[in-house]
Amino acid sequence: DTEVTQTPKHLVMGMTNKKSLKCEQHMGHRAMYWYKQKAKKPPELMFVYSYEKLSINESVPSRFSPECPNSSLLNLHLHALQPEDSALYLCASSLRVHQDTGELFFGEGSRLTVL
Amino acid sequence: KNQVEQSPQSLIILEGKNCTLQCNYTVSPFSNLRWYKQDTGRGPVSLTIMTFSENTKSNGRYTATLDADTKQSSLHITASQLSDSASYICVVRPISNFGNEKLTFGTGTRLTIIP
Repeated sequence: DTEVTQTPKHLVMGMTNKKSLKCEQHMGHRAMYWYKQKAKKPPELMFVYSYEKLSINESVPSRFSPECPNSSLLNLHLHALQPEDSALYLCASSLRVHQDTGELFFGEGSRLTVL
Repeated sequence: KNQVEQSPQSLIILEGKNCTLQCNYTVSPFSNLRWYKQDTGRGPVSLTIMTFSENTKSNGRYTATLDADTKQSSLHITASQLSDSASYICVVRPISNFGNEKLTFGTGTRLTIIP
């Protein structure tokens, strides 16, 4: 199983809503990542979890709250978002963070629209 | 600042033709470079990885080249198929004490294959 599964595929929410994006992998990877990708732009790193601990927060606004309940699951909790937060949110995993030739395995993404 | 620039930004070719995509990077010191394929609305998928000591690597109809002296890489696609329509992203990893959080993504080339 070399898949990273993200749900939901599409999400539309108002600025006062609270929602969550979910990511799951069963490859035994101990590093998981959240990226944000705007149209025609490369993915931008948001958070990195290493062995279920948050190791990197790329100065992401607090309206995005990550959570890693266990080594297979990664959540991104959303609250009081702005329309400019509309984007494709990609989850990725790798065997470890510090792995020179390590490949990132990406999920298909969650397309978020904030009204 | 580490940068990865790709050209052209977009490319349209006829089915069956060959094409070459370019990637120039300033990341130094350099560890490895990956080419990813990203279908619209999907997550990127790794095509090839090249370390600084490798010059050429093939994966089916995809052939990547690397010139570490000039800091240039290319991705050549042979006998293009409609399914090759996607964005192709060059991702460079520096040698550092850090991990995957220091990957630098290029802006991508949008390739469209027309019948």
